[in-house]
Amino acid sequence: DGGITQSPKYLFRKEGQNVTLSCEQNLNHDAMYWYRQDPGQGLRLIYYSQIVNDFQKGDIAEGYSVSREKKESFPLTVTSAQKNPTAFYLCASRSTSGGFPGELFFGEGSRLTVL
Amino acid sequence: SQQGEEDPQALSIQEGENATMNCSYKTSINNLQWYRQNSGRGLVHLILIRSNEREKHSGRLRVTLDTSKKSSSLLITASRAADTASYFCATVNTGANSKLTFGKGITLSVRP
Repeated sequence: DGGITQSPKYLFRKEGQNVTLSCEQNLNHDAMYWYRQDPGQGLRLIYYSQIVNDFQKGDIAEGYSVSREKKESFPLTVTSAQKNPTAFYLCASRSTSGGFPGELFFGEGSRLTVL
Repeated sequence: SQQGEEDPQALSIQEGENATMNCSYKTSINNLQWYRQNSGRGLVHLILIRSNEREKHSGRLRVTLDTSKKSSSLLITASRAADTASYFCATVNTGANSKLTFGKGITLSVRP
């Protein structure tokens, strides 16, 4: 089945550690996105990529890094510089054919807790 | 920055009733989308309405868009307990560089 797979679903981290969240899609989508969701805050854009080997900062990129070496994969690293990393992280993708953004397809999310 | 603001923040209704949720936004848009999220899960796309459209239907869903008032509404008819979820509107601004901007969401509870 086509879709987006995020792993791990739950992740615990000690302060000062970097962690990497995986996002893989087999939808052949060019564009991929990372969002952060906190209670009562909705979704906030961290990074996005419209094509392989290119990505742009979103609204809250500080303390995060990404790479886009393959079309299918868009991993997110939460670095120790991120002051408040405990959150629910959502990866999404979309097709870029047809001009302006159409629907996003989301993964099931990764919940990161800093101990 | 969050563009869409949903209203109300929470809604509780009886099964069989209709649920109406509203979204307001601030700048010109290319399209507006509604998503649903079950607790602890990813978002699922429900419907997209373009700026030159006024109304769209999909099953029990009806979406309207009023660009003069910069607002949209999502109507779920004959609600079911399974409709219990959070609902988000997301906007794509004109000239936006491939970004959707989400509101904070509405929590809908449908009582059996």
